[in-house]
Amino acid sequence: EAGVTQFPSHSVIEKGQTVTLRCDPISGHDNLYWYRRVMGKEIKFLLHFVKESKQDESGMPNNRFLAERTGGTYSTLKVQPAELEDSGVYFCASSRAWDSPLHFGNGTRLTVT
Amino acid sequence: KQEVTQIPAALSVPEGENLVLNCSFTDSAIYNLQWFRQDPGKGLTSLLLIQSSQREQTSGRLNASLDKSSGRSTLYIAASQPGDSATYLCAPKGVNTGKLIFGQGTTLQVKP
Repeated sequence: EAGVTQFPSHSVIEKGQTVTLRCDPISGHDNLYWYRRVMGKEIKFLLHFVKESKQDESGMPNNRFLAERTGGTYSTLKVQPAELEDSGVYFCASSRAWDSPLHFGNGTRLTVT
Repeated sequence: KQEVTQIPAALSVPEGENLVLNCSFTDSAIYNLQWFRQDPGKGLTSLLLIQSSQREQTSGRLNASLDKSSGRSTLYIAASQPGDSATYLCAPKGVNTGKLIFGQGTTLQVKP
């Protein structure tokens, strides 16, 4: 069984630019989550999809962040325009059911200069 | 608001020792709690998941316990090996949300 896959593994962009992160969950996992870790802080929740619907987006920092999961398969997280404080590692996770273990990808390290 | 604390923040032990990592959380209204390990530059690997109705879970040399009422969980690692070196994270899931709340983790180094 392939794990959660994230692209790219690293991204370096300038302030004001746009970046799109992609996550491919484990096949058959309806639940997809985005988390991030900014420098020196703990990992924090961003949002949760069940299939293509946003179940909880209470962790999204502001309207510069847009997450989509068209067709209930892969998901994208777009940051537009990027700010310096957006730098960090963005993790995607998926689970088969709400109470199942979460499986994480290797993350995308985003650096905004 | 759920807050998670992991003690110690870092731990260095010689190979072969048994050790305990501690996790405490402020809101006991949790659905389950998951333990992860993270290797440098990698994602999180799920180790154990304990449902709120359970007291402990075991997988190989790992044993995780949960005392929901007191807001505590421990991860016991038996006969530690250098390959166990990583950061260990605990994350309870709230009863009414799908969110995992993470602590800062315990960074473990096992010396050969």
